[in-house]
Amino acid sequence: EAQVTQNPRYLITVTGKKLTVTCSQNMNHEYMSWYRQDPGLGLRQIYYSMNVEVTDKGDVPEGYKVSRKEKRNFPLILESPSPNQTSLYFCASSLAGGPTDTQYFGPGTRLTVL
Amino acid sequence: AQKITQTQPGMFVQEKEAVTLDCTYDTSDQSYGLFWYKQPSSGEMIFLIYQGSYDEQNATEGRYSLNFQKARKSANLVISASQLGDSAMYFCAMRGMARRDSWGKLQFGAGTQVVVTP
Repeated sequence: EAQVTQNPRYLITVTGKKLTVTCSQNMNHEYMSWYRQDPGLGLRQIYYSMNVEVTDKGDVPEGYKVSRKEKRNFPLILESPSPNQTSLYFCASSLAGGPTDTQYFGPGTRLTVL
Repeated sequence: AQKITQTQPGMFVQEKEAVTLDCTYDTSDQSYGLFWYKQPSSGEMIFLIYQGSYDEQNATEGRYSLNFQKARKSANLVISASQLGDSAMYFCAMRGMARRDSWGKLQFGAGTQVVVTP
């Protein structure tokens, strides 16, 4: 089944404790992206990757890191999480980054930073 | 810069009725795509329908249709014959091409919460 998977689905952590949210897709998509969703703001892009070893900042990259060592995986790293990073996070992928390419989303990771 | 506006924060609709969700956008790109996603209370983002800026016909997918008016920069979603399972948050989104910082990015609106009542 074609899908985007994320782990963990739920995470409660404390300020400053490094964490990684994994994302994997099995559709051989080139383009992958991370978004965060906050009430009243819709989804905002954190980072995106156009292919292996090619990443770039989205609208809200501060406090996050990413890497793309393999085509299928695109982990999101929070080196020192803070309470303002409490949010719902989505990983998404698409065949490419063009305007006709539909992005498919993972199930989401609900993160709480205390 | 690209911007998506959804002016209806929430709405109630009776089962079996049609509902129109408003979406207006602003972009200087000539080539762009417009998308609608559904987010039920379980949280996942479900792709519903796509409209390309050069498509001459309005997109349709089952009970979903997109009323695309390019000159007015609007891309309203119409759900016909609403069902209880249609209760969800609905997001309009756009993807442009012209500028590197917009390439690939989906720009989302704030969403419209739809509640379908029996």
